[in-house]
Amino acid sequence: GNSVTQMEGPVTLSEEAFLTINCTYTATGYPSLFWYVQYPGEGLQLLLKATKADDKGSNKGFEATYRKETTSFHLEKGSVQVSDSAVYFCALYQAAGNKLTFGGGTRVLVKP
Amino acid sequence: DGGITQSPKYLFRKEGQNVTLSCEQNLNHDAMYWYRQDPGQGLRLIYYSQIVNDFQKGDIAEGYSVSREKKESFPLTVTSAQKNPTAFYLCASSIRPGNTEAFFGQGTRLTVV
Repeated sequence: GNSVTQMEGPVTLSEEAFLTINCTYTATGYPSLFWYVQYPGEGLQLLLKATKADDKGSNKGFEATYRKETTSFHLEKGSVQVSDSAVYFCALYQAAGNKLTFGGGTRVLVKP
Repeated sequence: DGGITQSPKYLFRKEGQNVTLSCEQNLNHDAMYWYRQDPGQGLRLIYYSQIVNDFQKGDIAEGYSVSREKKESFPLTVTSAQKNPTAFYLCASSIRPGNTEAFFGQGTRLTVV
């Protein structure tokens, strides 16, 4: 079946540091890939998505590129802020099965 | 404002009791979902519904039940058959099933006492 693997957290960074969160997936065919963010005490919000190989999703300074050859969708941000402290979830959608499959989430803590 | 609303935010249940978690959306979305979130784990799908009066089991449906009598409402009942119900429950909706954005509620934290 489908699965998503993320690097375990917590990831602790200083403000303005570079952030990378690794995400790899297992799926047949060509799933759509997503990053969701969960701020403390809230539900999840879509951060960005990519629907086909080599697509780059971007939003709020975050980027992720759909790499079919390495089955990866790593999230990056060049200069993090304290307000980026949250839990980040990588997810995939595949029509067969008709559901979103989530990774375990990575907690990011940005210190001033 | 359009959105998806879960209630209550916190819920306490005694062992052996059934409890129902509310989820309402005014986004006119066809698809609705229930996920369970445990510490350090990803979200696991409990049930989903693609259309009114239809729903499907997800990966961990045992001990849960749902109904979809109205498009805007998708309540989840945690029954006494659920052996480990303490968790954070998230409801979501999307305009249609598929690779479209899912909108999430703020969640309900259920604790068995």
